[in-house]
Amino acid sequence: QKEVEQDPGPLSVPEGAIVSLNCTYSNSAFQYFMWYRQYSRKGPELLMYTYSSGNKEDGRFTAQVDKSSKYISLFIRDSQPSDSATYLCAMSAGAGNFGNEKLTFGTGTRLTIIP
Amino acid sequence: DGGITQSPKYLFRKEGQNVTLSCEQNLNHDAMYWYRQDPGQGLRLIYYSQIVNDFQKGDIAEGYSVSREKKESFPLTVTSAQKNPTAFYLCASSAPGGEKLFFGSGTQLSVL
Repeated sequence: QKEVEQDPGPLSVPEGAIVSLNCTYSNSAFQYFMWYRQYSRKGPELLMYTYSSGNKEDGRFTAQVDKSSKYISLFIRDSQPSDSATYLCAMSAGAGNFGNEKLTFGTGTRLTIIP
Repeated sequence: DGGITQSPKYLFRKEGQNVTLSCEQNLNHDAMYWYRQDPGQGLRLIYYSQIVNDFQKGDIAEGYSVSREKKESFPLTVTSAQKNPTAFYLCASSAPGGEKLFFGSGTQLSVL
């Protein structure tokens, strides 16, 4: 079993819909959770960063972490065609440089927003 | 503009050949990383360096080598010992105590 599981999709939704992207994990030591967005043939860019459990909102994006269920989610409201990309979850137990050298990435979910 | 520059964008390797991927950053970051991305797999860490003249192996270092002679530069060599080198290679950096990774645009390496 992989440490981080992420549905690869592809996921297609109409413009304006609410999108829900999810990851599950097995390592209870993870406490830093991130979502990266990656456009085709580009490097990932950090979208959301959350420490421990709870919600974090930034514009149309909301990240949720449920450590008791080992489940994290990214919600995108009022989705736009420009949101079409691959979304990668990543997590770390921390330490050092926030444990960047020990980041575990999901496989990514490919999302397409249909105009 | 500050950022990470990877070159070339596309690279082809012949059998038995070593090739070097370039990564340069002007963000004044201490830590730099090399990841490999394959379809259907998450990013996997090849090597990382937290300071000049020091680097550590990541999860899949076999068949790769790196150097860190300057803070700005972290080149990756894919040696002939790497039997399955075809992948998208990503370089990243982060500031001390920073949780955010900054990525370059990647290099697609293919075997001829």
